[in-house]
Amino acid sequence: QVQLQQWGAGLLKPSETLSLTCAVYGESLTGYYWSWIRQPPGKGLEWIGEIKYSGNTFYNPSLESRVTLSVDTSKSQFSLILSSVTAADTAVYYCARVFHYDYVGGSYRHYPRFDSWGQGTLVTVSS
Amino acid sequence: EIVLTQSPGTLSLSPGERATLSCRASQTVSSRYLGWYQQKPGQAPRLLIYGASSRATGIPDRFSGSGSGTDFTLIISRLEHEDFAVYYCQQHGSSPYTFGQGTKLEIK
Repeated sequence: QVQLQQWGAGLLKPSETLSLTCAVYGESLTGYYWSWIRQPPGKGLEWIGEIKYSGNTFYNPSLESRVTLSVDTSKSQFSLILSSVTAADTAVYYCARVFHYDYVGGSYRHYPRFDSWGQGTLVTVSS
Repeated sequence: EIVLTQSPGTLSLSPGERATLSCRASQTVSSRYLGWYQQKPGQAPRLLIYGASSRATGIPDRFSGSGSGTDFTLIISRLEHEDFAVYYCQQHGSSPYTFGQGTKLEIK
């Protein structure tokens, strides 16, 4: 069973860079997409972006200019960098696996979903 | 961007009752790209339903999903105490992938 464990700095000042890493246990990174999602305190969920094990990236346009996702298959880890943070970036950040394809009846079906999540990391941006 | 609007915002029910949660999309979403998640305080969301109607591994059969086009529904047939939480719908068909604002299911 796959497990995701994430870590990173929890307190940043405005204009600093947020950096989080998510380690994957019990499953290879290969064959999957890996994602970051955030949740401001008391609010809903926002998709930040996702990265394929091969390095292909897909970003939320609202954050694309400040976001970089990377993957290190040798360490079974993937990472999020968000630059020039402001108070609006204060949130719990989650890493998640994106399960894209089911193999059923001899063929692949595309049913993407976030099927495994990290524990979350609260990142507070305050001067 | 596809906006998902969930209703009601808060649903007050008693254990044993049936809960019906709605998710309406601003544009057509293929059923294969619609999922439902449950979140309890202090926890990460948990996948309940994917492909609009397929239960995720380990999810009890009292949870069921349905719908197509722009209207989707999550039904919990007989509420148990552990079901009181916030529920989110999510679409993974059109970037940026978006979540609804959530429905809080509370004990009456």
